[in-house]
Amino acid sequence: DADVTQTPRNRITKTGKRIMLECSQTKGHDRMYWYRQDPGLGLRLIYYSFDVKDINKGEISDGYSVSRQAQAKFSLSLESAIPNQTALYFCATSDPLAVSYNEQFFGPGTRLTVL
Amino acid sequence: SQQGEEDPQALSIQEGENATMNCSYKTSINNLQWYRQNSGRGLVHLILIRSNEREKHSGRLRVTLDTSKKSSSLLITASRAADTASYFCAPSGGGNEKLTFGTGTRLTIIP
Repeated sequence: DADVTQTPRNRITKTGKRIMLECSQTKGHDRMYWYRQDPGLGLRLIYYSFDVKDINKGEISDGYSVSRQAQAKFSLSLESAIPNQTALYFCATSDPLAVSYNEQFFGPGTRLTVL
Repeated sequence: SQQGEEDPQALSIQEGENATMNCSYKTSINNLQWYRQNSGRGLVHLILIRSNEREKHSGRLRVTLDTSKKSSSLLITASRAADTASYFCAPSGGGNEKLTFGTGTRLTIIP
C-alpha cells in the first residue's frame, strides 16, 4: 500500500464550487505539505503543517484553506473554485527526526480541472 | 527557504549515454536534495548531499556539490528509457526550512 495517498486522483468541477482534496499518510510523519504544479512553473507551496496544531501559509495560499484533522490527515479546500486553480496538486510528508530530516515523500497527485 | 535553479531546462540524449544536469542556488545550505518526477506523478527523492560532502553516489547516480560556487550537479550514467523524467534540486538550510522546488530539468532518453 502507498504511504501517502490522495483522493480523488482526478476531479472536474465548475467555477464557484467548493472542493476538498484529501491526503492521508501511514508514515507517521508530523509534517505535511500541499503543493500545486502548473506547466513551466514547478511546484509551489500552498500550505504546510509541522504538527496537528500548526498550520502555516505557503507562497500561494489565497483561495485555499486547509484542515489537519489528525497526524495522518491533511485536507486542502478550494472555497470557491476558479479556472486558474486548474493544476496538479500534491501532498507531501516529512519527518524532522529522520537522518535526512527534510526529505519529502510525495503522494501520487490530484489532477483538478475547474471549468 | 531558497529555490534552486536547474539547468538545462530540457535535455535529450541517446540511451546509454550519460546525462548531466546542474543546480545553482544563492545562499549557504545545510544539504541539497535531488528528486525525480515521472510525467504526472509525485516527486521521488533520489539523493541528499550534505554541505560537508563533495560527492555522493547511489547506483548510476553521482551527485557533486561545490559550496564555493553554490552549485550541484547530478550525473546519470548509462541512461535508460526509464530515466525519462523531470529532475528537481532542492537546496535547504536545514532546521524548519521548507523545501522550494524550481522548474526542473526535463530529461528525455531516446531509445
